[in-house]
Amino acid sequence: QQQVKQSPQSLIVQKGGISIINCAYENTAFDYFPWYQQFPGKGPALLIAIRPDVSEKKEGRFTISFNKSAKQFSLHIMDSQPGDSATYFCAASKETGANNLFFGTGTRLTVIP
Amino acid sequence: KAGVTQTPRYLIKTRGQQVTLSCSPISGHRSVSWYQQTPGQGLQFLFEYFSETQRNKGNFPGRFSGRQFSNSRSEMNVSTLELGDSALYLCASKSGAGANVLTFGAGSRLTVL
Repeated sequence: QQQVKQSPQSLIVQKGGISIINCAYENTAFDYFPWYQQFPGKGPALLIAIRPDVSEKKEGRFTISFNKSAKQFSLHIMDSQPGDSATYFCAASKETGANNLFFGTGTRLTVIP
Repeated sequence: KAGVTQTPRYLIKTRGQQVTLSCSPISGHRSVSWYQQTPGQGLQFLFEYFSETQRNKGNFPGRFSGRQFSNSRSEMNVSTLELGDSALYLCASKSGAGANVLTFGAGSRLTVL
């Protein structure tokens, strides 16, 4: 059973456009929601993370929006660049610091020049 | 500062054999966890070690085991390999049991024939 549902599976965006990836979860015990970026041949790298006491967090062109009541969170990539082409994973964990992250199935983003 | 190092990067085994994968965490990191990544199941948590003790375990059969040494290096072992064990095995480390930022290695790609 997938604890974190992610969509879309793949996404093609024009350079300069906005990329939006959505995730949903059921377990209200989750209290840490990171996003990871993975390039081919590399391991996932932490991009940005949020806790449920905050509705939005922005770091550069990357923004997480969090809706606690709907149990949904999303990643927005503004001014998308070809270098952003990668697979993005949302994740959630039950307690701060716990290593047992539950990952979404991933979104393959392609940014067309 | 060196990242998480995993060896070997690629290996091919046949059904019924066993395999041992190695992980050297970032210097100073005492927590090591392992994940299995497959196209069908995505990233799934295997287990976590902290100070040579298994702190957490995912939902995998007993054929999957691991250990951590006093220098924080970790190994995972899969016995009696099955075709379905073909995957990218990722190791990740963090500085302590309560830290949040998980740093992944590039993974060991196992192919079972």
